[in-house]
Amino acid sequence: DTEVTQTPKHLVMGMTNKKSLKCEQHMGHRAMYWYKQKAKKPPELMFVYSYEKLSINESVPSRFSPECPNSSLLNLHLHALQPEDSALYLCASSQGAGGNEKLFFGSGTQLSVL
Amino acid sequence: LAKTTQPISMDSYEGQEVNITCSHNNIATNDYITWYQQFPSQGPRFIIQGYKTKVTNEVASLFIPADRKSSTLSLPRVSLSDTAVYYCLVGDWQGSARQLTFGSGTQLTVLP
Repeated sequence: DTEVTQTPKHLVMGMTNKKSLKCEQHMGHRAMYWYKQKAKKPPELMFVYSYEKLSINESVPSRFSPECPNSSLLNLHLHALQPEDSALYLCASSQGAGGNEKLFFGSGTQLSVL
Repeated sequence: LAKTTQPISMDSYEGQEVNITCSHNNIATNDYITWYQQFPSQGPRFIIQGYKTKVTNEVASLFIPADRKSSTLSLPRVSLSDTAVYYCLVGDWQGSARQLTFGSGTQLTVLP
């Protein structure tokens, strides 16, 4: 199994809603990532988990809250988002965090904030 | 920061070879260069990775000069389905944590 599975594929939420994005991999990877991608822009790194511990937080607003319950799962909890947070949210995993790690990406969650 | 710079866009015709160059002047000694392909509304997909000299797989070749300050992705005989954005990535290190930041990417358009 070489897949990273993200759910849901599409999400529409209001600014007062609370929702969660989910990501799952069964490749035994120990590093997992959240990226945000706006249309026609490159993915922007948000968070990195290494061995289930948060190792990188790219100064992301607190309305985005990551969680890594175990080595196969990664969640992104959303609360009080703004319309400018509408984007494609991508999850990725890699075997570890060395210099030759390859990222495996999911197909993303397209988020619209109304 | 190990920033990468690529051409914003390139056009090619079906059947031609395409070379996309990326500059990464501040690459770390222990870091590899990795290329990804991305179609609209999909996650990026790994194409090829290398450390130095030349690497070839079933879809592409990667050329890296001795100083490792740049790399060139070579796609042989492109087809319409190769129209996509291509990114080269190198890592930045925050202590023992490796930060993988995407550059602007190159939009490749293959014309019939």
